[in-house]
Amino acid sequence: AQSVAQPEDQVNVAEGNPLTVKCTYSVSGNPYLFWYVQYPNRGLQFLLKYITGDNLVKGSYGFEAEFNKSQTSFHLKKPSALVSDSALYFCAVRDLDSGYSTLTFGKGTMLLVSP
Amino acid sequence: GAGVSQSPSNKVTEKGKDVELRCDPISGHTALYWYRQSLGQGLEFLIYFQGNSAPDKSGLPSDRFSAERTGGSVSTLTIQRTQQEDSAVYLCASSLAIQETQYFGPGTRLLVL
Repeated sequence: AQSVAQPEDQVNVAEGNPLTVKCTYSVSGNPYLFWYVQYPNRGLQFLLKYITGDNLVKGSYGFEAEFNKSQTSFHLKKPSALVSDSALYFCAVRDLDSGYSTLTFGKGTMLLVSP
Repeated sequence: GAGVSQSPSNKVTEKGKDVELRCDPISGHTALYWYRQSLGQGLEFLIYFQGNSAPDKSGLPSDRFSAERTGGSVSTLTIQRTQQEDSAVYLCASSLAIQETQYFGPGTRLLVL
């Protein structure tokens, strides 16, 4: 079985400060990890993904994520938050070693960036 | 089109009526997925298509839900005898091939009165 946990329902940060949105995962094999963002009344937009290679993955809009195998985490980060980053963020995982498996999403973390 | 499109964007219906939701994937994408997003919930996987075939229907919540895909392109999700608990945003995604990155449409917001 595969699962994703986003332990924070909401993250508040001031504009210009660094932000972190947490994600931990559980898979039997090797993980294929994603971050998506959802703006109000919109679908999900792909931000970045990790399969193999460098543990630090860079994505759209200045976001990056760090894969940590020992802690089974894939936290999303940005050095300097913008008010326009305020949105709902989803982490997702698939087990690469189980043949086909569905993409399992976390419940989402609302990021609020204050001016 | 450039992205995944869904129609209608909003649908209000009465309990007991049937509804059809449409998804038009990115051109050339062979895999197509349907999800449901309820208020305060994450994304619930419903069904996926590889070409016109749906190998995994385990996520469909009841036999009132069905989906089809024709010509390896457009897909329709049908909900029969709608119930109030069916109210949600229904999201469609497509990917170049199965297991590849999924790209989402804007969703259909369904309200069952």
